[in-house]
Amino acid sequence: NAGVTQTPKFQVLKTGQSMTLQCAQDMNHNSMYWYRQDPGMGLRLIYYSASEGTTDKGEVPNGYNVSRLNKREFSLRLESAAPSQTSVYFCASKQASGRVDTGELFFGEGSRLTVL
Amino acid sequence: AQSVAQPEDQVNVAEGNPLTVKCTYSVSGNPYLFWYVQYPNRGLQFLLKYITGDNLVKGSYGFEAEFNKSQTSFHLKKPSALVSDSALYFCAVRDMGDSNYQLIWGAGTKLIIKP
Repeated sequence: NAGVTQTPKFQVLKTGQSMTLQCAQDMNHNSMYWYRQDPGMGLRLIYYSASEGTTDKGEVPNGYNVSRLNKREFSLRLESAAPSQTSVYFCASKQASGRVDTGELFFGEGSRLTVL
Repeated sequence: AQSVAQPEDQVNVAEGNPLTVKCTYSVSGNPYLFWYVQYPNRGLQFLLKYITGDNLVKGSYGFEAEFNKSQTSFHLKKPSALVSDSALYFCAVRDMGDSNYQLIWGAGTKLIIKP
């Protein structure tokens, strides 16, 4: 049972380059999330998708775009990478049901991105 | 404003001793509280959660946490630490009364268990 799979695990970009982080989950969850993790700052939500066909901004959406391709897949795109986007990115999923959601998140292994 | 505080960047404990990782929160409504653990170069894993009911919550790997409403705290505990418990621990809260029902995360506490 793979759970949440992220690719690539590592990537080095030059300022201004673009790239897409891929995420897929095999648990039939309806909600998916993209977080970034920076030292001493915990996790910050970039974008999320409460259900297939919907996406919403999180706490730090600037410089990113997302696509919920289908129920399984949720990609994160950096159109013009900046050094400030150097971080570890985590995709997560959850079986959620609106305001009464009490479910826990399932995380991928992370994608370490360095922007030079 | 909603917030989560993990006041200790790092906690050092000798193997076999009890451990506590502290978490305090601030929300306007009733909280949903979570603890997650992150081992080196891995994603976060769910440990336990408090939704309602008994204030003492038991979770994975022998961990437990006590919800204290008056002190707005949700400290993570384990009676006897193992070296394998060494990891980064995150507390998170969700405000049941907030329409923007996303998790608010603490900055994390590095737990080091020494043999």
